[in-house]
Amino acid sequence: GAVVSQHPSRVICKSGTSVKIECRSLDFQATTMFWYRQFPKQSLMLMATSNEGSKATYEQGVEKDKFLINHASLTLSTLTVTSAHPEDSSFYICSALGQAYNQPQHFGDGTRLSIL
Amino acid sequence: QQQVKQSPQSLIVQKGGISIINCAYENTAFDYFPWYQQFPGKGPALLIAIRPDVSEKKEGRFTISFNKSAKQFSLHIMDSQPGDSATYFCAASMDSGAGSYQLTFGKGTKLSVIP
Repeated sequence: GAVVSQHPSRVICKSGTSVKIECRSLDFQATTMFWYRQFPKQSLMLMATSNEGSKATYEQGVEKDKFLINHASLTLSTLTVTSAHPEDSSFYICSALGQAYNQPQHFGDGTRLSIL
Repeated sequence: QQQVKQSPQSLIVQKGGISIINCAYENTAFDYFPWYQQFPGKGPALLIAIRPDVSEKKEGRFTISFNKSAKQFSLHIMDSQPGDSATYFCAASMDSGAGSYQLTFGKGTKLSVIP
């Protein structure tokens, strides 16, 4: 089945550091990738939609200068949390959507980001 | 407003019993309804999905029942096992432009199956 690889799985770093998270579709081409944030015991909150070769579309309230998204190829999207602070600590999850009509989203295993 | 309401928030079922999770939606433009299973520290995994042209879909012990007129759908887990203990999310999607198919998630149900 479709596999989405997310790396790293866990990051612990100091406040002020920028952190890059990678999301790769391993066996299909993903024209669209999504980035979510999930707080403990809560549902997934969509942060942005990333289409290959174009600028990401951010949801209301998500700072695009804080969360930089790049989708340079059909198999890779990256999320960079710039100058991370403790309030950015969360579980970040990506998903990828194939090119066929109404295909399901396949999710990565998430990145646990902890900012000290 | 795009919303999917999920209940119950938590559910405890004995091994071998039936687990039932319900979802309701408002937007009739939704045309795809997946259920995801999430274990702690992992991303959601697609469990089963249905489209509005059918009223029921079964895959193994998992069944989705869909009521288009009531705008409701539910997940039934037959013969529930301790390994089914996880958080379950219902979702709904439609083409939101440029073929992006954004998912709208319910708030999740934490299922605990006790021996």
